[in-house]
Amino acid sequence: EDKVVQSPLSLVVHEGDTVTLNCSYEVTNFRSLLWYKQEKKAPTFLFMLTSSGIEKKSGRLSSILDKKELFSILNITDTQTGDSAVYLCASNFGNEKLTFGTGTRLTIIP
Amino acid sequence: NAGVTQTPKFQVLKTGQSMTLQCAQDMNHEYMSWYRQDPGMGLRLIHYSVGAGITDQGEVPNGYNVSRSTTEDFPLRLLSAAPSQTSVYFCASRPGGLGETQYFGPGTRLLVL
Repeated sequence: EDKVVQSPLSLVVHEGDTVTLNCSYEVTNFRSLLWYKQEKKAPTFLFMLTSSGIEKKSGRLSSILDKKELFSILNITDTQTGDSAVYLCASNFGNEKLTFGTGTRLTIIP
Repeated sequence: NAGVTQTPKFQVLKTGQSMTLQCAQDMNHEYMSWYRQDPGMGLRLIHYSVGAGITDQGEVPNGYNVSRSTTEDFPLRLLSAAPSQTSVYFCASRPGGLGETQYFGPGTRLLVL
């Protein structure tokens, strides 16, 4: 069964800290891995990863994929209160089927 | 562009009632999907469509119907609402091909009593 597992389930850090969120997957027909940020409403897209070892970066956020070990990490440096959200990882195993993890709830304390 | 729109934002139903959740997108996207989000469960795919006239089941399709008569619209029908269908429902769309970024609607919060 295709599965995406995220860890930790929740994380509380202070402003300025660096955090690493983890996503492991087991999918039979892997195409891509996606990261989303969800605040109060709909998830918003962060990154899509398809190739191993190539870091994607956007400001203080970066992500990388390891297709051999079947995991991805999302790093956030110099965290700010606006980074508080649920971060979702999802894997595409063909066509339109995205399998989501349960998410990591990140809370940044000022 | 309005992007992906969903109506209503919030709905209360009694067990056994039926209703339709509306979803529309104005980006000419081929692919559209419906997800439900429950606490601790993440997002789960209900139904999806890869183009007008084509639909398929996702992970949790029971109790829901969909149709795709136009590219723009992808309504989700609850045939006979049950308390287990209390959830937040998200519609999403994306272009066809390798561009797999999904755009999500704002969600519909459904409470079934």
